[in-house]
Amino acid sequence: DAGVIQSPRHEVTEMGQEVTLRCKPISGHNSLFWYRQTMMRGLELLIYFNNNVPIDDSGMPEDRFSAKMPNASFSTLKIQPSEPRDSAVYFCASSAETVRNTEAFFGQGTRLTVV
Amino acid sequence: AQSVTQLGSHVSVSEGALVLLRCNYSSSVPPYLFWYVQYPNQGLQLLLKYTSAATLVKGINGFEAEFEKSETSFHLTKPSAHMSDAAEYFCAVSVPGNQFYFGTGTSLTVIP
Repeated sequence: DAGVIQSPRHEVTEMGQEVTLRCKPISGHNSLFWYRQTMMRGLELLIYFNNNVPIDDSGMPEDRFSAKMPNASFSTLKIQPSEPRDSAVYFCASSAETVRNTEAFFGQGTRLTVV
Repeated sequence: AQSVTQLGSHVSVSEGALVLLRCNYSSSVPPYLFWYVQYPNQGLQLLLKYTSAATLVKGINGFEAEFEKSETSFHLTKPSAHMSDAAEYFCAVSVPGNQFYFGTGTSLTVIP
């Protein structure tokens, strides 16, 4: 398996623009997580899906952020409009809830810079 | 509620010295525990995980961790540090329902 695949790896955008980050989880995994990593806040859980359904979105910073998982093999995280303080590395991770004590597998991340 | 506390955001050791990274957890149910490593510009990779089969867990690259229920700890150790061990290390706890909670990370510097 190719692992969790995120695209793009790097994104530079202007303030006010819409940004869409994409994630393909590992085949067969039914849990998907979006994390944001910054120097100031460390690794923050934004949202967690189980079987394509959002379970916990309490980490989503504000209404400018939205996430979808239309099917088991694809998820998006959208920021509209983007702001400079959204600059961070965004990670997607997946795991198989049905496997006891399984770990979360991380993608390589998307480095977002909002100027 | 579940949480993880990593003591020491920065740890420096000399090459060849013992590495000890501390992690304490809080969980209302028997936890699953993990250590991850993050190299610059990369995602998090699993180092090791506690499966409840044995309290001493061995992972990749010579790392190991011991689950101490009485102390609610899961400290990461390596007998002899290598330069290549310089990275960010994260402790994590998960519970049934599969939510993962990460610590704030510890940056390990290895001094030649």
